[in-house]
Amino acid sequence: EVQLVESGGGLVQPGRSMKLSCAASGFTFSNYGMAWVRQAPTKGLEWVATISYDGSSTYYRDSVKGRFTISRDNAKSTLYLQMNSLRSEDTATYYCTRTFGYFDYWGQGVMVTVSS
Amino acid sequence: DVVLTQTPVSLSVTLGDQASISCRSSQSLEYSDGYTYLEWYLQKPGQSPQLLIYEVSNRFSGVPDRFIGSGSGTDFTLKISRVEPEDLGVYYCFQATHDPPTFGGGTKLELK
Repeated sequence: EVQLVESGGGLVQPGRSMKLSCAASGFTFSNYGMAWVRQAPTKGLEWVATISYDGSSTYYRDSVKGRFTISRDNAKSTLYLQMNSLRSEDTATYYCTRTFGYFDYWGQGVMVTVSS
Repeated sequence: DVVLTQTPVSLSVTLGDQASISCRSSQSLEYSDGYTYLEWYLQKPGQSPQLLIYEVSNRFSGVPDRFIGSGSGTDFTLKISRVEPEDLGVYYCFQATHDPPTFGGGTKLELK
């Protein structure tokens, strides 16, 4: 059974950093691209970043470019999202997803609140 | 960025009825390889989103055949025949043809 379990969220002050993790199991992690999708409170879904199966290619939405870094450790079957210079508008639930073109499996999400 | 406009924003149905959701794109979603990367997701209350349809009309594994995706170019539709209680929630269309990938604003399906 495919499982994606996010961790690392919480309350953080504006301008500070936070790192999210997503532990994957139930499939060969190194064969799949992965992505982060977020959802601000009471709002819709927003794609954040994608990484290729081997980590050689990464893609970001403009609003997080230069602040967020997506990475992976295939030996640990873990996806990461390093978030720097956080802003209030980054407040959201962050979902880890497996991507095979489409997002076929999703984690339960982790909440990130950026507030002083 | 490609804008996906979903209508209606909210849809009230009776169980057993058919429901139809429209997703219109600001640009054609046909990619140069001939495929159209338009997907539909359902987010049930309190849950993570789940994939229903990919490449316009292909049902993901385990998705009942009462979910039917159709369309081309800039106009797409998700039809749900015989709505069941587990179909309630917010439906999102999503395009991966153009960068950046974008979601529609969502359509909430609820009981009348």
